[in-house]
Amino acid sequence: EDQVTQSPEALRLQEGESSSLNCSYTVSGLRGLFWYRQDPGKGPEFLFTLYSAGEEKEKERLKATLTKKESFLHITAPKPEDSATYLCAVQPNTGNQFYFGTGTSLTVIP
Amino acid sequence: DSGVTQTPKHLITATGQRVTLRCSPRSGDLSVYWYQQSLDQGLQFLIQYYNGEERAKGNILERFSAQQFPDLHSELNLSSLELGDSALYFCASSVAGTGNHYGYTFGSGTRLTVV
Repeated sequence: EDQVTQSPEALRLQEGESSSLNCSYTVSGLRGLFWYRQDPGKGPEFLFTLYSAGEEKEKERLKATLTKKESFLHITAPKPEDSATYLCAVQPNTGNQFYFGTGTSLTVIP
Repeated sequence: DSGVTQTPKHLITATGQRVTLRCSPRSGDLSVYWYQQSLDQGLQFLIQYYNGEERAKGNILERFSAQQFPDLHSELNLSSLELGDSALYFCASSVAGTGNHYGYTFGSGTRLTVV
């Protein structure tokens, strides 16, 4: 069964304190792994797509990496405006739907 | 503005009632996906339409139904509402039937409260 697990559920960081969010997945065949950012009361906003193990993508203070079993979202020197829920989703080779994890709620304290 | 428009933004209704949520996809997108997001469960896939036809079905209750019209907008109908149906309902769209490099583009959601 296709499944996505994110950890931790919640993370509080001091401004400037780097850390990583984890997304573990089980899928029959991976078409793509997606990271989204969701602010309260809003729809998820696309961040990255990763397709194969070893791939890395960067955007400002965020870097996403992918292995065969998990993905990490590294946050370097975070700022308060990085506070949001970060969602991971996988799209298997078979079928069209995405499977989302329950997210990591990140709070960055000034 | 993501380009995906959902109306209404908020909806409060009583148990047993029926409501319709509306979604206009981003211009050029043929696929529409409906997701339910509750506090404890995260985003749950309900149903997908591609160019007017049902393409995939997820954990959608029999009390719920959807359709996509010739102009590509979609409606999600929820009937015999229960307290547990209270959630955020998101619509997302993509160009192809299988998503694309950017995944989906999400609307800002409809918050449904059943009292």
